[in-house]
Amino acid sequence: KAGVTQTPRYLIKTRGQQVTLSCSPISGHRSVSWYQQTPGQGLQFLFEYFSETQRNKGNFPGRFSGRQFSNSRSEMNVSTLELGDSALYLCASSLWTASSTDTQYFGPGTRLTVL
Amino acid sequence: DAKTTQPNSMESNEEEPVHLPCNHSTISGTDYIHWYRQLPSQGPEYVIHGLTSNVNNRMASLAIAEDRKSSTLILHRATLRDAAVYYCTQGGSNYKLTFGKGTLLTVNP
Repeated sequence: KAGVTQTPRYLIKTRGQQVTLSCSPISGHRSVSWYQQTPGQGLQFLFEYFSETQRNKGNFPGRFSGRQFSNSRSEMNVSTLELGDSALYLCASSLWTASSTDTQYFGPGTRLTVL
Repeated sequence: DAKTTQPNSMESNEEEPVHLPCNHSTISGTDYIHWYRQLPSQGPEYVIHGLTSNVNNRMASLAIAEDRKSSTLILHRATLRDAAVYYCTQGGSNYKLTFGKGTLLTVNP
Protein backbone atom coordinates (compact mmCIF):
# COMPACT_ATOMS: atom_id res chain seq x y z
CA LYS A 1 0.00 0.00 0.00
CA ALA A 2 1.43 3.39 -0.93
CA GLY A 3 2.34 5.69 1.94
CA VAL A 4 1.43 9.30 2.53
CA THR A 5 2.68 11.49 -0.28
CA GLN A 6 3.31 15.21 -0.16
CA THR A 7 3.99 17.59 -2.99
CA PRO A 8 6.10 19.47 -3.61
CA ARG A 9 8.98 18.23 -1.49
CA TYR A 10 10.83 21.53 -1.58
CA LEU A 11 9.61 25.05 -2.16
CA ILE A 12 11.21 28.47 -2.11
CA LYS A 13 9.01 31.55 -1.87
CA THR A 14 9.47 35.21 -1.05
CA ARG A 15 7.78 37.22 1.68
CA GLY A 16 4.24 38.25 0.86
CA GLN A 17 3.58 35.40 -1.54
CA GLN A 18 1.16 32.58 -0.89
CA VAL A 19 1.74 28.85 -1.11
CA THR A 20 -0.36 25.69 -1.41
CA LEU A 21 0.89 22.33 -0.23
CA SER A 22 -0.73 19.04 -1.12
CA CYS A 23 -1.12 15.77 0.77
CA SER A 24 -2.44 12.42 -0.44
CA PRO A 25 -3.26 10.10 2.47
CA ILE A 26 -2.96 6.33 2.53
CA SER A 27 -5.81 4.74 0.62
CA GLY A 28 -8.81 4.27 2.91
CA HIS A 29 -7.64 6.79 5.49
CA ARG A 30 -10.13 9.55 6.12
CA SER A 31 -8.36 11.69 8.71
CA VAL A 32 -5.61 14.06 7.64
CA SER A 33 -3.58 16.20 10.02
CA TRP A 34 -1.04 18.89 9.28
CA TYR A 35 1.96 19.88 11.40
CA GLN A 36 4.61 22.56 11.22
CA GLN A 37 8.11 21.57 12.36
CA THR A 38 10.80 24.11 13.14
CA PRO A 39 14.03 23.76 15.13
CA GLY A 40 12.83 26.20 17.77
CA GLN A 41 9.22 25.15 18.26
CA GLY A 42 9.36 21.47 17.39
CA LEU A 43 6.33 19.71 15.94
CA GLN A 44 3.22 21.89 16.16
CA PHE A 45 -0.30 20.85 15.24
CA LEU A 46 -1.96 22.97 12.56
CA PHE A 47 -5.33 21.32 11.87
CA GLU A 48 -7.13 18.04 11.32
CA TYR A 49 -9.71 17.14 8.71
CA PHE A 50 -12.15 14.28 8.42
CA SER A 51 -14.73 13.87 5.65
CA GLU A 52 -14.04 17.39 4.41
CA THR A 53 -14.66 18.91 7.86
CA GLN A 54 -12.09 20.58 10.04
CA ARG A 55 -12.42 19.02 13.48
CA ASN A 56 -9.62 20.78 15.30
CA LYS A 57 -7.25 23.66 14.73
CA GLY A 58 -3.99 24.59 16.38
CA ASN A 59 -2.89 28.00 17.55
CA PHE A 60 -1.87 29.52 14.24
CA PRO A 61 -2.93 32.78 12.57
CA GLY A 62 -5.70 32.86 10.00
CA ARG A 63 -3.09 33.02 7.22
CA PHE A 64 -2.90 29.27 7.61
CA SER A 65 -5.84 27.43 6.16
CA GLY A 66 -6.64 24.03 4.81
CA ARG A 67 -9.24 21.91 3.17
CA GLN A 68 -9.99 18.31 2.41
CA PHE A 69 -11.57 16.91 -0.70
CA SER A 70 -14.08 14.09 -1.05
CA ASN A 71 -11.29 11.62 -1.90
CA SER A 72 -9.58 12.57 1.42
CA ARG A 73 -6.74 14.39 -0.28
CA SER A 74 -5.91 17.58 1.55
CA GLU A 75 -4.29 20.92 0.85
CA MET A 76 -3.00 23.60 3.13
CA ASN A 77 -2.51 27.20 2.16
CA VAL A 78 -0.39 29.90 3.70
CA SER A 79 -1.07 33.43 2.54
CA THR A 80 1.15 36.50 2.92
CA LEU A 81 4.22 34.47 3.75
CA GLU A 82 6.56 35.63 6.49
CA LEU A 83 10.18 34.64 7.10
CA GLY A 84 9.05 32.73 10.20
CA ASP A 85 6.92 30.44 8.08
CA SER A 86 10.05 28.68 6.87
CA ALA A 87 9.62 25.15 8.15
CA LEU A 88 9.03 21.52 7.35
CA TYR A 89 5.31 20.97 6.85
CA LEU A 90 4.22 17.44 7.62
CA CYS A 91 1.00 15.72 6.72
CA ALA A 92 -0.21 12.61 8.53
CA SER A 93 -3.14 10.34 7.84
CA SER A 94 -5.06 7.85 9.94
CA LEU A 95 -8.16 5.74 9.50
CA TRP A 96 -10.56 7.71 11.66
CA THR A 97 -8.90 10.10 14.05
CA ALA A 98 -5.60 11.74 14.86
CA SER A 99 -5.78 10.62 18.45
CA SER A 100 -7.09 7.79 20.60
CA THR A 101 -6.33 4.32 19.25
CA ASP A 102 -5.46 5.21 15.66
CA THR A 103 -1.92 5.26 14.34
CA GLN A 104 -0.82 8.25 12.32
CA TYR A 105 1.28 7.74 9.24
CA PHE A 106 3.41 10.69 8.28
CA GLY A 107 4.54 11.83 4.88
CA PRO A 108 8.10 12.96 4.15
CA GLY A 109 7.14 16.61 4.45
CA THR A 110 7.43 19.72 2.32
CA ARG A 111 10.41 21.93 3.11
CA LEU A 112 9.29 25.55 2.68
CA THR A 113 11.88 28.30 2.61
CA VAL A 114 10.72 31.91 2.68
CA LEU A 115 13.24 34.50 1.52
CA ASP B 1 -3.24 21.67 25.56
CA ALA B 2 -2.00 18.28 26.64
CA LYS B 3 1.60 18.47 27.77
CA THR B 4 4.35 15.86 27.92
CA THR B 5 7.85 16.27 29.30
CA GLN B 6 10.91 14.40 28.09
CA PRO B 7 14.67 14.75 28.54
CA ASN B 8 16.27 16.66 25.70
CA SER B 9 18.79 13.97 24.92
CA MET B 10 19.98 10.52 25.96
CA GLU B 11 22.89 8.36 24.97
CA SER B 12 23.22 4.61 24.72
CA ASN B 13 25.66 1.99 23.53
CA GLU B 14 24.83 -0.39 20.74
CA GLU B 15 23.13 -3.64 21.80
CA GLU B 16 22.29 -2.27 25.25
CA PRO B 17 18.74 -1.58 26.46
CA VAL B 18 17.45 1.98 26.43
CA HIS B 19 14.72 3.37 28.65
CA LEU B 20 13.22 6.62 27.40
CA PRO B 21 11.03 8.35 30.01
CA CYS B 22 8.06 10.64 29.55
CA ASN B 23 5.87 12.53 32.01
CA HIS B 24 2.20 12.98 31.17
CA SER B 25 1.18 15.62 33.68
CA THR B 26 -2.17 16.49 32.07
CA ILE B 27 -3.31 13.10 30.84
CA SER B 28 -7.01 12.28 31.11
CA GLY B 29 -8.54 8.91 31.76
CA THR B 30 -9.36 8.24 28.12
CA ASP B 31 -6.13 9.51 26.53
CA TYR B 32 -3.96 6.96 24.82
CA ILE B 33 -0.20 7.28 25.13
CA HIS B 34 1.63 7.19 21.81
CA TRP B 35 5.30 7.11 20.93
CA TYR B 36 6.70 8.18 17.59
CA ARG B 37 10.25 8.56 16.38
CA GLN B 38 11.79 10.66 13.68
CA LEU B 39 14.87 9.54 11.84
CA PRO B 40 17.03 12.21 10.20
CA SER B 41 15.43 13.75 7.11
CA GLN B 42 12.23 11.73 7.48
CA GLY B 43 8.74 12.26 8.81
CA PRO B 44 7.90 10.76 12.21
CA GLU B 45 7.01 7.09 12.33
CA TYR B 46 4.79 5.24 14.78
CA VAL B 47 6.50 3.14 17.43
CA ILE B 48 3.90 1.97 19.93
CA HIS B 49 0.84 3.05 21.89
CA GLY B 50 -1.17 1.95 24.91
CA LEU B 51 -3.83 2.97 27.42
CA THR B 52 -3.18 1.35 30.78
CA SER B 53 -1.38 -1.94 30.35
CA ASN B 54 2.18 -2.48 29.27
CA VAL B 55 2.47 -3.15 25.56
CA ASN B 56 4.99 -4.97 23.39
CA ASN B 57 5.56 -5.03 19.67
CA ARG B 58 8.42 -5.92 17.39
CA MET B 59 9.99 -2.50 17.74
CA ALA B 60 9.75 -1.77 21.45
CA SER B 61 7.93 -2.13 24.75
CA LEU B 62 5.85 0.49 26.49
CA ALA B 63 5.60 0.58 30.25
CA ILE B 64 2.81 2.74 31.67
CA ALA B 65 2.75 3.78 35.32
CA GLU B 66 -0.26 2.80 37.37
CA ASP B 67 -1.37 6.44 37.72
CA ARG B 68 -0.60 6.98 34.00
CA LYS B 69 1.36 10.13 34.77
CA SER B 70 4.48 8.63 33.26
CA SER B 71 5.46 6.15 30.59
CA THR B 72 8.72 4.56 29.48
CA LEU B 73 9.63 3.42 26.01
CA ILE B 74 12.01 0.48 26.14
CA LEU B 75 14.28 -0.48 23.27
CA HIS B 76 15.60 -3.86 24.28
CA ARG B 77 18.78 -3.79 22.22
CA ALA B 78 19.64 -0.46 20.68
CA THR B 79 21.10 -0.43 17.19
CA LEU B 80 22.65 2.40 15.23
CA ARG B 81 19.43 2.59 13.24
CA ASP B 82 17.55 3.50 16.41
CA ALA B 83 19.31 6.86 16.60
CA ALA B 84 16.45 9.33 16.25
CA VAL B 85 14.29 11.87 18.04
CA TYR B 86 11.68 10.06 20.11
CA TYR B 87 8.37 11.77 20.87
CA CYS B 88 5.82 10.76 23.44
CA THR B 89 2.36 12.16 23.06
CA GLN B 90 -1.16 11.56 24.24
CA GLY B 91 -4.47 11.75 22.49
CA GLY B 92 -8.11 11.28 23.25
CA SER B 93 -11.25 12.44 21.55
CA ASN B 94 -10.09 15.89 20.45
CA TYR B 95 -8.67 14.71 17.12
CA LYS B 96 -5.17 15.95 17.76
CA LEU B 97 -1.87 14.73 19.07
CA THR B 98 0.31 17.31 20.79
CA PHE B 99 3.99 16.64 20.41
CA GLY B 100 6.68 17.91 22.75
CA LYS B 101 10.29 18.63 21.83
CA GLY B 102 11.22 14.97 22.01
CA THR B 103 14.36 13.15 23.16
CA LEU B 104 17.34 12.93 20.85
CA LEU B 105 18.74 9.41 21.24
CA THR B 106 22.37 8.89 20.30
CA VAL B 107 23.58 5.32 19.94
CA ASN B 108 27.30 4.74 20.22
CA PRO B 109 28.92 1.84 18.35
